[in-house]
Amino acid sequence: GAVVSQHPSWVICKSGTSVKIECRSLDFQATTMFWYRQFPKQSLMLMATSNEGSKATYEQGVEKDKFLINHASLTLSTLTVTSAHPEDSSFYICSAEQGTGSYNSPLHFGNGTRLTVT
Amino acid sequence: GQNIDQPTEMTATEGAIVQINCTYQTSGFNGLFWYQQHAGEAPTFLSYNVLDGLEEKGRFSSFLSRSKGYSYLLLKELQMKDSASYLCAVRDSNYQLIWGAGTKLIIKP
Repeated sequence: GAVVSQHPSWVICKSGTSVKIECRSLDFQATTMFWYRQFPKQSLMLMATSNEGSKATYEQGVEKDKFLINHASLTLSTLTVTSAHPEDSSFYICSAEQGTGSYNSPLHFGNGTRLTVT
Repeated sequence: GQNIDQPTEMTATEGAIVQINCTYQTSGFNGLFWYQQHAGEAPTFLSYNVLDGLEEKGRFSSFLSRSKGYSYLLLKELQMKDSASYLCAVRDSNYQLIWGAGTKLIIKP
């Protein structure tokens, strides 16, 4: 159980275009999902916390108008990178917790999306 | 500030044992997670420690000392497929997960 599906697994786009990434919890409901970004050889960096039915909470330094997050249902969150630029090229990973938010609830991750902006 | 330290890279031999250390300074402590991440893939959950001591799961064991702000992941009978990065993460008092940069483990035949 606790499968998180992320799509697409990789995408190449031109500078100035927008890219949408989907994250689905397949066999459980996720009130909260998390979006991370990871640059090569670096740690996971939390971008935002996505809450079903309400606005996402963004980490300091993350532009909410550039990284649009929508969490319309208990099983789907989307991240849209608007007007992408080469510096947005990175590995984007979503995750969700199965359970009621107890401290020992591990995060279950999607397989990630490799974004390359040319 | 909050900080988690892990060695950047380690090398070990197939069949051997390796210990990956993690030290942390965080605002409160509500458990420590270990994840495995193969190159180009998402992390997968390995273990969770909240009380002092050793938790064993097959070839993998994880140890925690809260007084020392220290944990280690012990991998036994190493296999080539264990080549990956190992991430240490601490849940702080605000329920936030603080991530280490990960330790890249290279297994040689």
